[in-house]
Amino acid sequence: GQQVMQIPQYQHVQEGEDFTTYCNSSTTLSNIQWYKQRPGGHPVFLIQLVKSGEVKKQKRLTFQFGEAKKNSSLHITATQTTDVGTYFCAGLAGGSYIPTFGRGTSLIVHP
Amino acid sequence: ETGVTQSPTHLIKTRGQQVTLRCSSQSGHNTVSWYQQALGQGPQFIFQYYREEENGRGNFPPRFSGLQFPNYSSELNVNALELDDSALYLCASSPPFSGESRQYFGPGTRLTVT
Repeated sequence: GQQVMQIPQYQHVQEGEDFTTYCNSSTTLSNIQWYKQRPGGHPVFLIQLVKSGEVKKQKRLTFQFGEAKKNSSLHITATQTTDVGTYFCAGLAGGSYIPTFGRGTSLIVHP
Repeated sequence: ETGVTQSPTHLIKTRGQQVTLRCSSQSGHNTVSWYQQALGQGPQFIFQYYREEENGRGNFPPRFSGLQFPNYSSELNVNALELDDSALYLCASSPPFSGESRQYFGPGTRLTVT
């Protein structure tokens, strides 16, 4: 079945440093979604990418979808303590409406 | 607009018991999915309900079952609880197809099996 791998599992940064998490799928995806889960909270939708090579920005967050539609990344510029949480990618294979979540990357920001 | 709600918030059960978790979907959403999230893991898809019918199932045994009601609320039932069933159970609803398949998650039910 479809597998979605996410690295790194944890990332410690000093406030103001950049952060990147990478997501790789074993199969070609129709689209990929990103979610953020704060400690003790539930996943909250951030964005969906559909097109090959797509790049979308939300303030300090930049999301990319690979040309082959099998990988994606989330980059945060100049992290803040409010960025703390676990970031999940969730991939949907063609014809499926059920996302497969990666294990997540936990971001810890030190002030 | 009311978001997704779940009850109870926390639950402690003994191995072998049965449990029912409840979810009210966001207003206007007719699809409900259930996920199991173990500590340090991503949400794992259990099953999805659409218009009161099961519409897809993940790799979970039959002792995990569910229902969806005419008002689109849903229940997750787990029989013969095992220690490994301890997890956060998330319900997520989504609106009628609009080209975007985002999931709106509820706050979850933390189940502890002892």
